[in-house]
Amino acid sequence: GENVEQHPSTLSVQEGDSAVIKCTYSDSASNYFPWYKQELGKRPQLIIDIRSNVGEKKDQRIAVTLNKTAKHFSLHITETQPEDSAVYFCAATTGSARQLTFGSGTQLTVLP
Amino acid sequence: DTAVSQTPKYLVTQMGNDKSIKCEQNLGHDTMYWYKQDSKKFLKIMFSYNNKELIINETVPNRFSPKSPDKAHLNLHINSLELGDSAVYFCASSQASNQPQHFGDGTRLSIL
Repeated sequence: GENVEQHPSTLSVQEGDSAVIKCTYSDSASNYFPWYKQELGKRPQLIIDIRSNVGEKKDQRIAVTLNKTAKHFSLHITETQPEDSAVYFCAATTGSARQLTFGSGTQLTVLP
Repeated sequence: DTAVSQTPKYLVTQMGNDKSIKCEQNLGHDTMYWYKQDSKKFLKIMFSYNNKELIINETVPNRFSPKSPDKAHLNLHINSLELGDSAVYFCASSQASNQPQHFGDGTRLSIL
């Protein structure tokens, strides 16, 4: 099946530093790439998304970049804060049904 | 008003039983989904459904069946529950497959 690989699985940063999470996908027809944040015991919530006709998108401290040729996309969080601590999931539309395939998640811990 | 609501929030039952989880969305979306999140936090699509088409992930046992009385509801029926079914089940909805998905708060299913 179509895969979405996500790295790293855990990431610890000092408050104020930047955090980068990377994903790769295998389906060349993927055209939609959302990122979700899931706090402990809560539902996944969309934080940013990007489409295949765009290389970069930014929303305040969060940015996503997409390299279609290399089939990878990344989440960048600047000036991290303790409330950024959560599990982050990347996803990509895959397969003939264009369902979302999620990466395995990254546990981000921002140390005060 | 909660956009995607699912009930119950917790479900504790014995192996072999049959149970249902209900989901309703008030966003006017055309597509609804069921996801399973296991203890390692992997988020896997089980079904996607709009008023025309049901897409079933090939790894989902046929003990699981979605039922949609109308566009705003997608319930999940599970027959002959097994220990491995213990997980958090999330319902979600979106306007289309390449549009943001909104998740419910999840149903934590525990099999004794």
